[in-house]
Amino acid sequence: EAGVTQFPSHSVIEKGQTVTLRCDPISGHDNLYWYRRVMGKEIKFLLHFVKESKQDESGMPNNRFLAERTGGTYSTLKVQPAELEDSGVYFCASTPLRGSRSGANVLTFGAGSRLTVL
Amino acid sequence: DAKTTQPNSMESNEEEPVHLPCNHSTISGTDYIHWYRQLPSQGPEYVIHGLTSNVNNRMASLAIAEDRKSSTLILHRATLRDAAVYYCILRRDNNAGNMLTFGGGTRLMVKP
Repeated sequence: EAGVTQFPSHSVIEKGQTVTLRCDPISGHDNLYWYRRVMGKEIKFLLHFVKESKQDESGMPNNRFLAERTGGTYSTLKVQPAELEDSGVYFCASTPLRGSRSGANVLTFGAGSRLTVL
Repeated sequence: DAKTTQPNSMESNEEEPVHLPCNHSTISGTDYIHWYRQLPSQGPEYVIHGLTSNVNNRMASLAIAEDRKSSTLILHRATLRDAAVYYCILRRDNNAGNMLTFGGGTRLMVKP
């Protein structure tokens, strides 16, 4: 079974430019999450999709970040315009939809996309 | 979500057992105890989880205190590949708030 795939593995852009990160979850996983770790900080939740719907986007830092999951398969996270403080590693994770037993759900993470904003 | 407390770092010798502690004194009855680890330059990786009883899998064992206010992740024979940051996370068993809340974790260093 293929794991969670993220692309690109590393992106270097200048402040003010736009970057789009992509996440392909495990096939059949309806739950998709985005997380990020900025330099020196803990891994933080950004948002959660259930299929194509945003279930929780409470962690999105501001309106420069736009996440989409059209068709409920892969997801993109666009940063426009990028700022220096957006540098970090962006992780995607997925898990099957299992109704109310969410406490036991195990997340499978991708290797992350490192974003460097100069 | 209830908070967990872990030591910042621990050291172990290769081939020896490692006991990684986690305190979660405000745990609720529906909280599962999850452990993830992050190897260098990789995403977090699931290790083990449990609710009330001790659990074993091919990677590790999880010992849960009777009052559930603490737990211990046990690596039976540490290898150099086990050097990572280990996160103890509580997950509530409900439909909302499905995300994991990461703390600082414990950085495990394994000496040859």
